[in-house]
Amino acid sequence: SQTIHQWPATLVQPVGSPLSLECTVEGTSNPNLYWYRQAAGRGLQLLFYSVGIGQISSEVPQNLSASRPQDRQFILSSKKLLLSDSGFYLCAWSTGGVEKLFFGSGTQLSVL
Amino acid sequence: GEDVEQSLFLSVREGDSSVINCTYTDSSSTYLYWYKQEPGAGLQLLTYIFSNMDMKQDQRLTVLLNKKDKHLSLRIADTQTGDSAIYFCAETHSSASKIIFGSGTRLSIRP
Repeated sequence: SQTIHQWPATLVQPVGSPLSLECTVEGTSNPNLYWYRQAAGRGLQLLFYSVGIGQISSEVPQNLSASRPQDRQFILSSKKLLLSDSGFYLCAWSTGGVEKLFFGSGTQLSVL
Repeated sequence: GEDVEQSLFLSVREGDSSVINCTYTDSSSTYLYWYKQEPGAGLQLLTYIFSNMDMKQDQRLTVLLNKKDKHLSLRIADTQTGDSAIYFCAETHSSASKIIFGSGTRLSIRP
């Protein structure tokens, strides 16, 4: 069966520090991968998605970047965090077709 | 562009039916979804409907789609305390690789 791992679960970082959130998927190959952000009291915003290794589509210009170094690995990064980067970050995968998304358990990022 | 809108809050009495509404703008939407998010967790797919369907029923859940008005609703019969969560409407179309979500509706249950 397929599983998705996302870590860490919580993270507290100072303003200006770097960020690296990792997401891996097991039990499937060539998934579509996604990073979403859920800010406090707000909805789900698509940040990046990837349909293959090295292929990244950015939805919102911002302080963040994404990379897909391996088929089932998706990394969200920042060189210098801003206060506004705080939020709940969710990784997800799908196999295409109906595009049912399967979500990780999320990372709560607090930038202080 | 693509946009999905929902009301932010809904409060219902335990045992009553809950109806969560959603509107979308993309007329080429092919699939429409309802996801549920419990506190501090990721989202789970509740149900989905193809755009060529008007209704889909799954136990206590009924999804209604009015394609002309671009309106989607989720009805939860006999609402229970375990139904307390944020419910997200979402859409995509067959040529896209991304799913667009609404802002989510927080459903609270009162005794």
